[in-house]
Amino acid sequence: DTGVSQDPRHKITKRGQNVTFRCDPISEHNRLYWYRQTLGQGPEFLTYFQNEAQLEKSRLLSDRFSAERPKGSFSTLEIQHTEQGDSAMYLCASSLALGYNEQFFGPGTRLTVL
Amino acid sequence: ELKVEQNPLFLSMQEGKNYTIYCNYSTTSDRLYWYRQDPGKSLESLFVLLSNGAVKQEGRLMASLDTKARLSTLHITAAVHDLSATYFCAVERDDKIIFGKGTRLHILP
Repeated sequence: DTGVSQDPRHKITKRGQNVTFRCDPISEHNRLYWYRQTLGQGPEFLTYFQNEAQLEKSRLLSDRFSAERPKGSFSTLEIQHTEQGDSAMYLCASSLALGYNEQFFGPGTRLTVL
Repeated sequence: ELKVEQNPLFLSMQEGKNYTIYCNYSTTSDRLYWYRQDPGKSLESLFVLLSNGAVKQEGRLMASLDTKARLSTLHITAAVHDLSATYFCAVERDDKIIFGKGTRLHILP
């Protein structure tokens, strides 16, 4: 399978715990995006990378959230001191920064904070 | 700030009928996308519209773009139950994609 992959697919945690999600983009894609989707809403942009550089962060990305893409390949999204409001689907997408920027989405990680 | 509005947000229709989903956006954009999402699943790209007057068709779905009116439409022809899903319009500007709230389409057999 050469698509975008995410791990884990589901995560249940208690409030206050830290969680980390991983995204592996399509191998030749140099851009990687993180989105959050809550029930009944469209995905909301969180942040994106071009290679290893984090180019933009949304105001939605509080200090408890941090994302990395250390070698320009896979990325991790960490949430510290989780809150119930963090419960959502976290989607990763990747694209080529050439021509038009069509993004291909992974299956998502569904986070439930109890 | 770029905003994307879809309507309707929910649509229930009979098989065999035609209907249109509308997507308005607030500022100029680079590209417009339509995605499909099934419950609990990720997003599947349907169409990418690049320029004014662009029209693309795939099966019973046809998307169009009017950049002057800042409007895109997704037209469903002779709906079938398999098209039941949530459809998102998304607009790209400055390397970011902003999504609408989605239109939940329920097609009754």
